[in-house]
Amino acid sequence: GAGVSQSPSNKVTEKGKDVELRCDPISGHTALYWYRQSLGQGLEFLIYFQGNSAPDKSGLPSDRFSAERTGGSVSTLTIQRTQQEDSAVYLCASTFRGGVDTQYFGPGTRLTVL
Amino acid sequence: AQRVTQPEKLLSVFKGAPVELKCNYSYSGSPELFWYVQYSRQRLQLLLRHISRESIKGFTADLNKGETSFHLKKPFAQEEDSAMYYCALTGGSYIPTFGRGTSLIVHP
Repeated sequence: GAGVSQSPSNKVTEKGKDVELRCDPISGHTALYWYRQSLGQGLEFLIYFQGNSAPDKSGLPSDRFSAERTGGSVSTLTIQRTQQEDSAVYLCASTFRGGVDTQYFGPGTRLTVL
Repeated sequence: AQRVTQPEKLLSVFKGAPVELKCNYSYSGSPELFWYVQYSRQRLQLLLRHISRESIKGFTADLNKGETSFHLKKPFAQEEDSAMYYCALTGGSYIPTFGRGTSLIVHP
């Protein structure tokens, strides 16, 4: 079956512009996570969606970051007024039920802010 | 709070040598521990999790609650094991905490 997909694979933008990153989870997976992967920093949790519950936004680094998940499936991560320190690989993962299930990762979106 | 520490950024070994990637954690409850691997130009994927007690690609990891460790071991490293390895812990919040990763390079 199809795995988690993300688009675009690469995004280059200018400082101050807004960007939208998309994630399509595995069909039937109820939980979706966004992470930021920076060189030498590991994976930084950003936001977690589980079913119809309110998302856990505790990892979002600033109010310039937001995310939504429509219809319990596709998710969009939006970064407003991008800064150079936002440059990173943004990873999406889904799990069947959330909790302690195995995470299935997408290929990531590499964001470069000039 | 939960924390995962991978003390080595880089581990370099020769083919056929034993390898141990260290992972220490801090968590007050009963953790679920995982090792994820990212090969070059591939996505991050599960290698193994402690609850399944499996051996995947010759790798094993034992949860040591006394030492709060979950080290990944393989008796004879292969060149194809070269990759980035991440240890992860999921606790009661259901939000995984990942270590910073260890880059394993296996030389021919």
